[in-house]
Amino acid sequence: QKEVEQNSGPLSVPEGAIASLNCTYSDRGSQSFFWYRQYSGKSPELIMSIYSNGDKEDGRFTAQLNKASQYVSLLIRDSQPSDSATYLCAGTPSGGSYIPTFGRGTSLIVHP
Amino acid sequence: EAGVTQFPSHSVIEKGQTVTLRCDPISGHDNLYWYRRVMGKEIKFLLHFVKESKQDESGMPNNRFLAERTGGTYSTLKVQPAELEDSGVYFCASSHKETLHFGNGTRLTVT
Repeated sequence: QKEVEQNSGPLSVPEGAIASLNCTYSDRGSQSFFWYRQYSGKSPELIMSIYSNGDKEDGRFTAQLNKASQYVSLLIRDSQPSDSATYLCAGTPSGGSYIPTFGRGTSLIVHP
Repeated sequence: EAGVTQFPSHSVIEKGQTVTLRCDPISGHDNLYWYRRVMGKEIKFLLHFVKESKQDESGMPNNRFLAERTGGTYSTLKVQPAELEDSGVYFCASSHKETLHFGNGTRLTVT
């Protein structure tokens, strides 16, 4: 079964620090990867997508993809308490489907 | 634009009863997905509609689950009869292309 693996955490970082969230995937043919943020009781919200090896930056967020190592990460710079949420990693399977497979999510706590 | 809306937000039913969940996608989104999250586990895909057609229902756990999307607008997911292991949060999502927009989910508790 094709899987996306994440450490469930919680990952606790102080305000202003860099939070590093990691994800590995088993489907070597996966092409597209996504990071969703989910606040408690709310819907998952897409914050980053990445398709090519390397880094992609958007404000305080940087997504990193290494297809050789089958590894995706999300860095959050200058973490704020409002960043406290569960971060879900997802990848689309090989074969052309757009239906993403999700990891369990990593709970991030940013403490003042 | 209005987001994806799901009804009800919570449902508590007894084992053996029937429950119907509803999802209203974003207007104009042909793609509609149902996912489920059981406590402590990942969000798992159930099925995918393109307009009114079931494109992929490989994630449906068994024949106690029936999804419909008549007219290609809103969708319903019926569980009949419900079992204890059906408890979880059922998410609906819709998309125009690749980006999925999720609803807040329906928390189903089967006692």
